[in-house]
Amino acid sequence: GAGVSQSPSNKVTEKGKDVELRCDPISGHTALYWYRQSLGQGLEFLIYFQGNSAPDKSGLPSDRFSAERTGGSVSTLTIQRTQQEDSAVYLCASSLFGGRATEAFFGQGTRLTVV
Amino acid sequence: GNSVTQMEGPVTLSEEAFLTINCTYTATGYPSLFWYVQYPGEGLQLLLKATKADDKGSNKGFEATYRKETTSFHLEKGSVQVSDSAVYFCALLSGGYNKLIFGAGTRLAVHP
Repeated sequence: GAGVSQSPSNKVTEKGKDVELRCDPISGHTALYWYRQSLGQGLEFLIYFQGNSAPDKSGLPSDRFSAERTGGSVSTLTIQRTQQEDSAVYLCASSLFGGRATEAFFGQGTRLTVV
Repeated sequence: GNSVTQMEGPVTLSEEAFLTINCTYTATGYPSLFWYVQYPGEGLQLLLKATKADDKGSNKGFEATYRKETTSFHLEKGSVQVSDSAVYFCALLSGGYNKLIFGAGTRLAVHP
């Protein structure tokens, strides 16, 4: 596609429910990142994919969070048993190789609200 | 571990004022450094970058120089415009790990 696409753009869910957030990276981009941006905070790194592999999952806040990527393309971030502190904007980015000078392109994000 | 520290905002300036947003980093090896910008209602986009010491990145009148001796990458613009109002994020890409690490962001508000 022309850019990184994330869906849904907004999600309101009840505490305790599971949610799935989707990211469609730019076609051909091998590197894919997930970040979380809480109100007034910076970007918190969650996980990084190179192809379908996740060499760095160190940012996932708890075992309620998981992510996968299939076919070297679409990625899904799943949050189980959501809590109010999970409310944030979840951003996805992709880049061509993830090398030193490679620009990361960001999606518009999914705003998650847990009530 | 690797980290980025940038000055807290908000920064409020009048149009045509000089802008500096400080950014310092901690990293092993030789990271690449970036400034990203998030305009109101839009996604993050790359503003400029530098991949080695003493490189200067520039775009849209903004500049930043990779200073290894002071581990800094301060963002500057000689004359800001109202349209520069946005949140600016300093970031580093650590060599070998491909993890893009961001600072907390600095909100800039420019008034006519």
